[in-house]
Amino acid sequence: GQSLEQPSEVTAVEGAIVQINCTYQTSGFYGLSWYQQHDGGAPTFLSYNALDGLEETGRFSSFLSRSDSYGYLLLQELQMKDSASYFCAVRENSGYALNFGKGTSLLVTP
Amino acid sequence: DAGVIQSPRHEVTEMGQEVTLRCKPISGHNSLFWYRQTMMRGLELLIYFNNNVPIDDSGMPEDRFSAKMPNASFSTLKIQPSEPRDSAVYFCASTNLLSTDTQYFGPGTRLTVL
Repeated sequence: GQSLEQPSEVTAVEGAIVQINCTYQTSGFYGLSWYQQHDGGAPTFLSYNALDGLEETGRFSSFLSRSDSYGYLLLQELQMKDSASYFCAVRENSGYALNFGKGTSLLVTP
Repeated sequence: DAGVIQSPRHEVTEMGQEVTLRCKPISGHNSLFWYRQTMMRGLELLIYFNNNVPIDDSGMPEDRFSAKMPNASFSTLKIQPSEPRDSAVYFCASTNLLSTDTQYFGPGTRLTVL
């Protein structure tokens, strides 16, 4: 089986930095993805890590440690519009299917 | 690009009725995924297709659910008969061989079974 663990809720102040962690236990591993979903909206792709290390895309960065089965999403210079749910997802095999975590609800306050 | 298109956006039906959800993937994408999202269970993969062929349907909850992809530009998810516990948001997503890391989601269909 597989499982992904991430915090259910995180609150941070506008302008601050927040880190959302994700640990996983899977039978196979090809990569870790992050998706953002606003209330009432669809998930949208943020980043993907197949190899250890940090991937940076603007204010968002994602990190992966395969040996620790751990990754995180780092959001810098938080804005009110960043209030949303963030999902980590694992690609377990050579197919393209993803298994999603339960999501972390991020609330950015003034 | 129009993105992934789903219809209807909202569906309210009564228990026992047949429900058909529709999806048009992004042109040129050869993989299509159906997900279901609920508060309790999160985002669950139901089934996915590669080149119109079902590859993994292990997430389909039971025989009441069926999915088809008759061609590269159209897929359906059917529930017959529907039950109140099927109430959820159903998403369709697509991707292609050049960007398999990225799935593009449609706006979803919010299904309510009374």
